[in-house]
Amino acid sequence: DADVTQTPRNRITKTGKRIMLECSQTKGHDRMYWYRQDPGLGLQLIYYSFDVKDINKGEISDGYSVSRQAQAKFSLSLESAIPNQTALYFCATSGWGPAGYNEQFFGPGTRLTVL
Amino acid sequence: GENVEQHPSTLSVQEGDSAVIKCTYSDSASNYFPWYKQELGKRPQLIIDIRSNVGEKKDQRIAVTLNKTAKHFSLHITETQPEDSAVYFCAASRDNAGNMLTFGGGTRLMVKP
Repeated sequence: DADVTQTPRNRITKTGKRIMLECSQTKGHDRMYWYRQDPGLGLQLIYYSFDVKDINKGEISDGYSVSRQAQAKFSLSLESAIPNQTALYFCATSGWGPAGYNEQFFGPGTRLTVL
Repeated sequence: GENVEQHPSTLSVQEGDSAVIKCTYSDSASNYFPWYKQELGKRPQLIIDIRSNVGEKKDQRIAVTLNKTAKHFSLHITETQPEDSAVYFCAASRDNAGNMLTFGGGTRLMVKP
């Protein structure tokens, strides 16, 4: 969905570096999420935020932190990247969709490689 | 917490055949079950969903069935076409909406022309 954007789309970095992945949305949704996708493991929730003052850990939050700068912006940081954090990262929002009920919308993803 | 298992992990069918993907969930309080399709290199997109107050829902060539007693739900694709080739994810949530989703591991569907 073009209303959820992520930057960068691809990033290669080295072990120990600090990395920030950014997500912006124009949907006006309060709820935002960060997921990690590894082959065969589906989508695993890293962190989620139900409004600007609400931040919650997901199932795999170790090694990650987040910042909700505004309703429209939710950033994911890797304080000291390690190779097993190499994955595809998705940001998502949830709220009312065109079908007339609540659903999740995903950004295009960020492919992160840690050498 | 919720645990969602999805089978098979890969599925290959001939064009025109049907495809069935099955998921089981552990939390009996779950009441919303969406299915997402992820084409190669693209983002997951919602294709169909079902809530616990119905047993089946159809949308053209795709349908989803839910058995709350057995805690499983399935995606059915009829008359498959090459453009159906993708990874499909099931998910479950207990808030009757698309908020806190727990995803299955995904099924790679390949439709051979």
